[in-house]
Amino acid sequence: ILNVEQSPQSLHVQEGDSTNFTCSFPSSNFYALHWYRWETAKSPEALFVMTLNGDEKKKGRISATLNTKEGYSYLYIKGSQPEDSATYLCAPDTGTASKLTFGTGTRLQVTL
Amino acid sequence: DTGVSQDPRHKITKRGQNVTFRCDPISEHNRLYWYRQTLGQGPEFLTYFQNEAQLEKSRLLSDRFSAERPKGSFSTLEIQRTEQGDSAMYLCASSLIRGQSNTEAFFGQGTRLTVV
Repeated sequence: ILNVEQSPQSLHVQEGDSTNFTCSFPSSNFYALHWYRWETAKSPEALFVMTLNGDEKKKGRISATLNTKEGYSYLYIKGSQPEDSATYLCAPDTGTASKLTFGTGTRLQVTL
Repeated sequence: DTGVSQDPRHKITKRGQNVTFRCDPISEHNRLYWYRQTLGQGPEFLTYFQNEAQLEKSRLLSDRFSAERPKGSFSTLEIQRTEQGDSAMYLCASSLIRGQSNTEAFFGQGTRLTVV
């Protein structure tokens, strides 16, 4: 069983605040890390697939970093907007054609 | 291709009845997943297929749950003798396995099951 932990479980920020949250995963047998955003009443959508230690990916105001040696990834949102309100999920891939196992997610709420 | 589609979107059933959900993945995707999501939790793995072969079924899943992907295309998830604890959002996702790695998974909009 792959142990994936995300923290915090939920987060409430004001519009314009920057925020970040963490995904922790086993550093052994690592191949890639997936980040997804899940808005209420919609399907989860992929944000990033990251593979290289030290890699940083960016999409608009959202960016992510990866540390494969210590087994964690940070997701950052700069200048949060109400439309960023969603649950953010991560899933490590061991590269052995195994299943994607998701963390419990970080639920972000951005208010005006 | 319009992405992953699931049918029905909502299902209300009486306890003890059987229900079946359908998932149509993206056509060229060889990997298909079923997940369940209950309030406040991330998607919980139920089972997955590589083409038509069911590779793993969660140990948490009772024998009342069964899934098929007969021709390696669409998949069905059946729950027999439903219980109130089965009430959840059932999500289907598909991806392409290249070598040993998953490409990004694409999710359907889910089937929300309510057992009354």
